[in-house]
Amino acid sequence: SQKIEQNSEALNIQEGKTATLTCNYTNYSPAYLQWYRQDPGRGPVFLLLIRENEKEKRKERLKVTFDTTLKQSLFHITASQPADSATYLCALRFSGGYNKLIFGAGTRLAVHP
Amino acid sequence: NAGVTQTPKFQVLKTGQSMTLQCAQDMNHNSMYWYRQDPGMGLRLIYYSASEGTTDKGEVPNGYNVSRLNKREFSLRLESAAPSQTSVYFCASSSGEQPQHFGDGTRLSIL
Repeated sequence: SQKIEQNSEALNIQEGKTATLTCNYTNYSPAYLQWYRQDPGRGPVFLLLIRENEKEKRKERLKVTFDTTLKQSLFHITASQPADSATYLCALRFSGGYNKLIFGAGTRLAVHP
Repeated sequence: NAGVTQTPKFQVLKTGQSMTLQCAQDMNHNSMYWYRQDPGMGLRLIYYSASEGTTDKGEVPNGYNVSRLNKREFSLRLESAAPSQTSVYFCASSSGEQPQHFGDGTRLSIL
């Protein structure tokens, strides 16, 4: 069966450091992978999309990598700020399907001053 | 610019009661989705509508029905609520293969 794994333990880091979140998947031929941010009591908000033929994508302080051999995506936030504290979800759109996403459970990030 | 609006925000039901969760989007998106989110689990797709007039089952459709009323509105109905349906329900919309835009959810408790 299709499965996405994100670290269920919260990630605690100091302000200014780089946060790295991991998303692993099995049994997929993904067309692309997306990262979303979710704040408490709110819906997910889209951050970045990376396609299967792309190795890396950047947007301001955010960077996503996608290794289809390792079946893994890494999500980096550089120069992290307390305002970056949230839960981050990865989602895969697998090849051959309609725009249906499979979501991971998310990793909670806490950035401390 | 409201985006995706869900009503109600909170609801408590008794087992066996029915209710409809409403969702409306103002972005002229063709596709709409209903998810549920439970602690420790990812968002799970209940139903989706690729375009007005079509609906399809997702991963966890049992116990739910949907109606794509028009291009803007997509409702989710629980005919006979069960405690296992206690969850946070999210509606989303997208334009084709573009990223999905989510509402802020309906928190549903079934006693």
